Amino acid sequence: KAGVTQTPRYLIKTRGQQVTLSCSPISGHRSVSWYQQTPGQGLQFLFEYFSETQRNKGNFPGRFSGRQFSNSRSEMNVSTLELGDSALYLCASSWGGSLRTDTQYFGPGTRLTVL
Amino acid sequence: AQSVTQPDIHITVSEGASLELRCNYSYGATPYLFWYVQSPGQGLQLLLKYFSGDTLVQGIKGFEAEFKRSQSSFNLRKPSVHWSDAAEYFCAVEDRNTGTASKLTFGTGTRLQVTL
Repeated sequence: KAGVTQTPRYLIKTRGQQVTLSCSPISGHRSVSWYQQTPGQGLQFLFEYFSETQRNKGNFPGRFSGRQFSNSRSEMNVSTLELGDSALYLCASSWGGSLRTDTQYFGPGTRLTVL
Repeated sequence: AQSVTQPDIHITVSEGASLELRCNYSYGATPYLFWYVQSPGQGLQLLLKYFSGDTLVQGIKGFEAEFKRSQSSFNLRKPSVHWSDAAEYFCAVEDRNTGTASKLTFGTGTRLQVTL
């Protein structure tokens, strides 16, 4: 079965612009989580969606938002981009979102560069 | 708040040698611990996880990890490293204060280089 797919894989934007990243989970998975990975801050949790509802949110400013559709596909949006938003954005999916019983599968990520 | 420390930023081992990657955690209750591997240009792959029970956990690709509560550690081991194991390894703890939602706190990672 197909893995987690993220589009686009690479993106270049300029400061002040906004960007939307997309994540298609593994078929049947209802939980989608987003992480930001940077050399300075490492891997940081952004938010998690389950059945179109945000269940948890990390410590990121309101410029970072997301949503999940009825088919479990998720998008994250970053408005008013800053240089520090340059990062690899990873999406992960699991069936129910419980790491105790489920395995979370990560996509290859979207590499965002802000100039 | 929970935290994870990986004291080694970079480790080099020879192919065929044994490997141990260190991970220390800080968590008030019994932690749920994970090891992930990230190959260049790839996402993360789960190697193994610990929730309870046997403190020695077996994972994929010949890896194992041992949970030691007295030392607040969850070190990853492999008896014989292959060149394809070169990657970055992340230890993580689940934030169980989130209820049913899944949220991981990751360590800063250890980059493994394998020499032939």
